[in-house]
Amino acid sequence: EAGVAQSPRYKIIEKRQSVAFWCNPISGHATLYWYQQILGQGPKLLIQFQNNGVVDDSQLPKDRFSAERLKGVDSTLKIQPAKLEDSAVYLCASSFNIASGELFFGEGSRLTVL
Amino acid sequence: RKEVEQDPGPFNVPEGATVAFNCTYSNSASQSFFWYRQDCRKEPKLLMSVYSSGNEDGRFTAQLNRASQYISLLIRDSKLSDSATYLCVGMDTGRRALTFGSGTRLQVQP
Repeated sequence: EAGVAQSPRYKIIEKRQSVAFWCNPISGHATLYWYQQILGQGPKLLIQFQNNGVVDDSQLPKDRFSAERLKGVDSTLKIQPAKLEDSAVYLCASSFNIASGELFFGEGSRLTVL
Repeated sequence: RKEVEQDPGPFNVPEGATVAFNCTYSNSASQSFFWYRQDCRKEPKLLMSVYSSGNEDGRFTAQLNRASQYISLLIRDSKLSDSATYLCVGMDTGRRALTFGSGTRLQVQP
C-alpha cells in the first residue's frame, strides 16, 4: 500500500517569497492534516480536513498560510509571504480511523527561509 | 502552559538498561493518549496507545494516571535501535485532533 506522498522534499526560499507544498494521502483516508515541526519541537497542527471540509484551522496563521483540499483527496499548503520563522518541516498526515490515534505521516517537506 | 509537556532529555542509557519517560497534560478534555516514535530526520510513527489500566507491548509499557494527568512510557532491556525521540500525544475526542509534546530524546549506547 502506498504511503502519504509529499512534495517537494526540500525548498529554500528568501523571506517574502511564496511556496506551496503538495500532499497525497493514503487512498481511502478521509481525514488529512498539515503539521508544522520546528527543529527541536513536536509537530504542531496547522489544519485538519475531513474529506474536503475544514474541521480545525484554529492554529493556522491565516494572514500568510492557506490550505485547500478541493476534491477531498490531495491537498496543498501555501505560504505567502514567507517569514524566517516559517523555517520548519511541513508534515502531511492522513487517518482512516482517528479514534485509533494512528496518523500516517509523509516524509515531510523541509522549508528553509533565508 | 503547553497542553502536553515532556522532559526533552536527552536520556543517555547503556544497552540493557530500563528507562522511563514521563509526560503531563493540562487539557482535561483530552481523552485518549498515545506514544509516537520519531527517528532522526524521519516522520513520527505510532508506537502504542495508552490506557488507564496500563498496557504492554513487548519491552514497552505505557501507563495513564488521569487523577494526576500524567502519562508514562517504560522501556525495558534497551536496544541500540530504541534510540529515537519519543513523542507524548493527547487527543481531544471532541475535536478529534492530536496534540504532540515536544518529545524526549533517547540515546542508547553500546
